[in-house]
Amino acid sequence: GQQVMQIPQYQHVQEGEDFTTYCNSSTTLSNIQWYKQRPGGHPVFLIQLVKSGEVKKQKRLTFQFGEAKKNSSLHITATQTTDVGTYFCAGDYNTDKLIFGTGTRLQVFP
Amino acid sequence: DTAVSQTPKYLVTQMGNDKSIKCEQNLGHDTMYWYKQDSKKFLKIMFSYNNKELIINETVPNRFSPKSPDKAHLNLHINSLELGDSAVYFCASSPPSMTSGVSETQYFGPGTRLTVL
Repeated sequence: GQQVMQIPQYQHVQEGEDFTTYCNSSTTLSNIQWYKQRPGGHPVFLIQLVKSGEVKKQKRLTFQFGEAKKNSSLHITATQTTDVGTYFCAGDYNTDKLIFGTGTRLQVFP
Repeated sequence: DTAVSQTPKYLVTQMGNDKSIKCEQNLGHDTMYWYKQDSKKFLKIMFSYNNKELIINETVPNRFSPKSPDKAHLNLHINSLELGDSAVYFCASSPPSMTSGVSETQYFGPGTRLTVL
């Protein structure tokens, strides 16, 4: 079945350092979404990528969708303590449901 | 103005009991979901309803029974609770897809933390 893996599982960074999480699918995706879950909170939508090779930016966050539409990445430049949380990618295989990745838990030390 | 609300926020109960979690959305969305998030933070879809009709039913024990009285509400009833049911349960909703084959954003409720003793 479809699986979406994310690496790393955990990442601890010093404030100001960059952070990247990678998402890999076993099969081609229709599109991919990214969500952020703060500690004790619920997943909140960040962005959706649909086109092959697409790159989108939101302030310090850069999202990429691979050319083969089987992988994606989220890069945060100069992390801040407000970036703390778990970042999930969610793959859409055109099956009316999202398959959430395993998540990357980011901890930022001041 | 809470978009997706769930009650209760916390639920502590004994093994073998039956319990329900309620979800309501005021976004006018057609589709609602139940997800289970375990202690390792893995988020798995359990059910999906579109306009009160069940469209996704993942491999979930039949002790779990969703009910959608109208498209703004999706409740989850769990019979004979087991230790392994302890998790955070999230309700979510999404609008109809504007583009064929492209899922829309999902809006999550605050979650219900279920602890089975």
